[in-house]
Amino acid sequence: QQPVQSPQAVILREGEDAVINCSSSKALYSVHWYRQKHGEAPVFLMILLKGGEQKGHEKISASFNEKKQQSSLYLTASQLSYSGTYFCGTELTDSWGKLQFGAGTQVVVTP
Amino acid sequence: SAVISQKPSRDICQRGTSLTIQCQVDSQVTMMFWYRQQPGQSLTLIATANQGSEATYESGFVIDKFPISRPNLTFSTLTVSNMSPEDSSIYLCSVSPLDSPTETQYFGPGTRLLVL
Repeated sequence: QQPVQSPQAVILREGEDAVINCSSSKALYSVHWYRQKHGEAPVFLMILLKGGEQKGHEKISASFNEKKQQSSLYLTASQLSYSGTYFCGTELTDSWGKLQFGAGTQVVVTP
Repeated sequence: SAVISQKPSRDICQRGTSLTIQCQVDSQVTMMFWYRQQPGQSLTLIATANQGSEATYESGFVIDKFPISRPNLTFSTLTVSNMSPEDSSIYLCSVSPLDSPTETQYFGPGTRLLVL
C-alpha cells in the first residue's frame, strides 16, 4: 500500500527550512528517501531502519518514528540544488527489499 | 554505490511490438527490481528479478506482458510485450549492492519509452 506524503509541493527561498512527511498504515522495516530532478533518475539520499534513528546528508536530515510508522525529511537552510521531487519509499516488515513509493513532494527553491 | 547502465536510454515504438530493456551493473548485487514511472507520477514496482528463477510480479503486472530475465548477479532484462500507448513510461531498474550494509537501492538512468 502506497505511503502518504505531504505536502504535495512547497516553494522556498534560499536559506529557508522545510519538512516533508511520509506515513504508512502498515508496519515498516525501513524508509528510503530519494530526490529526483526533472528528466533524471531518482538519487538515493538516505535510509532509516526500524529503531527511530536520525540520519543526515549535507543539510538534509530525516527521522523515523517507528510507533507512528512515520518518517520526516528535514531540509535545512535550503540551497538552489535542493529543488526537485522528493519521494519516500517504504519497506514493510513482511516484504523484504520491496519499496512502495509515495506520490512525491515537489520542492522549488528560489533565489 | 554501484554503476548502473540501461539500454536503450529511449525509444519510440509502434503499438503491438515488443521492446527489451537491459540493465547492467558493474558489480554483483543481491536484489534487482524493475519499476515503471508514468509521466508526472510516482514509481511503481513491476517485479523483483530473481537470479536463476522466475521473477516475482506485483499485483497488476503479469509475466506475459512483462517477461523478465536475470541470468546472473549483474544483468537483467525487462521486455514490454504487445505494447499500447498506455505503456508509454520511464522504466527503471534498481539494485541493492552485495557490499551494502543495508538494503539501499540505487536506480539506473531509466529507459524512456513512447508508444505510438
